[in-house]
Amino acid sequence: QKEVEQDPGPLSVPEGAIVSLNCTYSNSAFQYFMWYRQYSRKGPELLMYTYSSGNKEDGRFTAQVDKSSKYISLFIRDSQPSDSATYLCAIEGGNKLVFGAGTILRVKS
Amino acid sequence: NAGVTQTPKFQVLKTGQSMTLQCAQDMNHNSMYWYRQDPGMGLRLIYYSASEGTTDKGEVPNGYNVSRLNKREFSLRLESAAPSQTSVYFCASSEGGRGIQYFGAGTRLSVL
Repeated sequence: QKEVEQDPGPLSVPEGAIVSLNCTYSNSAFQYFMWYRQYSRKGPELLMYTYSSGNKEDGRFTAQVDKSSKYISLFIRDSQPSDSATYLCAIEGGNKLVFGAGTILRVKS
Repeated sequence: NAGVTQTPKFQVLKTGQSMTLQCAQDMNHNSMYWYRQDPGMGLRLIYYSASEGTTDKGEVPNGYNVSRLNKREFSLRLESAAPSQTSVYFCASSEGGRGIQYFGAGTRLSVL
């Protein structure tokens, strides 16, 4: 079993839709949770960073962590074509980051 | 503000050839990392350097070597390239092991 599981998609939605991206993890010791966004032919860039369970909001983006279920989510409200990218969850484990496979998101105008 | 700079951006090798991928960061970070990214596999850690003078193996180290030349620079060497090493390679740096990682733009390598 992989330490971090993420559905690779692709996920295709119309402009303005609410998008839900999810990851599950296996190690309950993980404490730091991140979401990276990667545009085509670019390096990943940090989008959201959370430490504890609960929600963290930044503009149209909300990161949610449920440590009891070992489940993290990223919600995108009012999705835009410019949100089309690969979204990778990353979880801190043993002073290193463990990445999910990444979900490809396409927002159609 | 350059951040993390990787060279070259593209490279084509023949099986058995060697090459070195270069990475430099200007953020005074202690830790540096090398990843490879393959379709459906996400980012897999090859090697990392927690601080200047130290290096450790990651998830997929076979066929690679690294050198932490100084605090700024961390190179990845393929001694005898194989087609299985065709991939996109990313270098990253962070303040520490639990810090946010900042990535370079990547090196696209094809081994024929």
